[in-house]
Amino acid sequence: SQQGEEDPQALSIQEGENATMNCSYKTSINNLQWYRQNSGRGLVHLILIRSNEREKHSGRLRVTLDTSKKSSSLLITASRAADTASYFCATEPNFGNEKLTFGTGTRLTIIP
Amino acid sequence: DAMVIQNPRYQVTQFGKPVTLSCSQTLNHNVMYWYQQKSSQAPKLLFHYYDKDFNNEADTPDNFQSRRPNTSFCFLDIRSPGLGDAAMYLCATSEIAGETQYFGPGTRLLVL
Repeated sequence: SQQGEEDPQALSIQEGENATMNCSYKTSINNLQWYRQNSGRGLVHLILIRSNEREKHSGRLRVTLDTSKKSSSLLITASRAADTASYFCATEPNFGNEKLTFGTGTRLTIIP
Repeated sequence: DAMVIQNPRYQVTQFGKPVTLSCSQTLNHNVMYWYQQKSSQAPKLLFHYYDKDFNNEADTPDNFQSRRPNTSFCFLDIRSPGLGDAAMYLCATSEIAGETQYFGPGTRLLVL
């Protein structure tokens, strides 16, 4: 199975601190994406990084990709209470099935 | 604003009573997906359409069917819901398969 695993499963930090979540996957990929899901809602796309990219930024988000280790990390800087959510990584394998496989998710809680 | 809409947001049905969930999109995307998500788990792909081309996941139960009458609309039919089908059902679209997906808010299904 391609399903990614995220680490940690749950993370609680104080508002203003940085949060780092990690994702590992099993097969070679075309791209890796991060999504946020607020409780009881749909997923929101955050960032897409392609297999030939090593780092990408979007506002307070920084994503890194290490294809040799089959891993990615998502860093949220200067966290806010509104960042409380579940975060999922999703991978598109490079064997052409054009589907995303989602990881198990990290539940992030920001303590005001 | 372009968006993905799911109706209803909450659906209660009886064991064995057929139910239909609907999804519409104003993004004019070719690809539409249906996911099932159970509590604290990753979204699980049930099937997807590339235009009118239907693609069923190998482990999607026969109890689940789908229709896409046109680009904008897609339906998920559960012919005989069991207690194990209680979950959040998420619809998503993408312009290019394997790239960024745009999710609706989901329909929470409860089976009594």
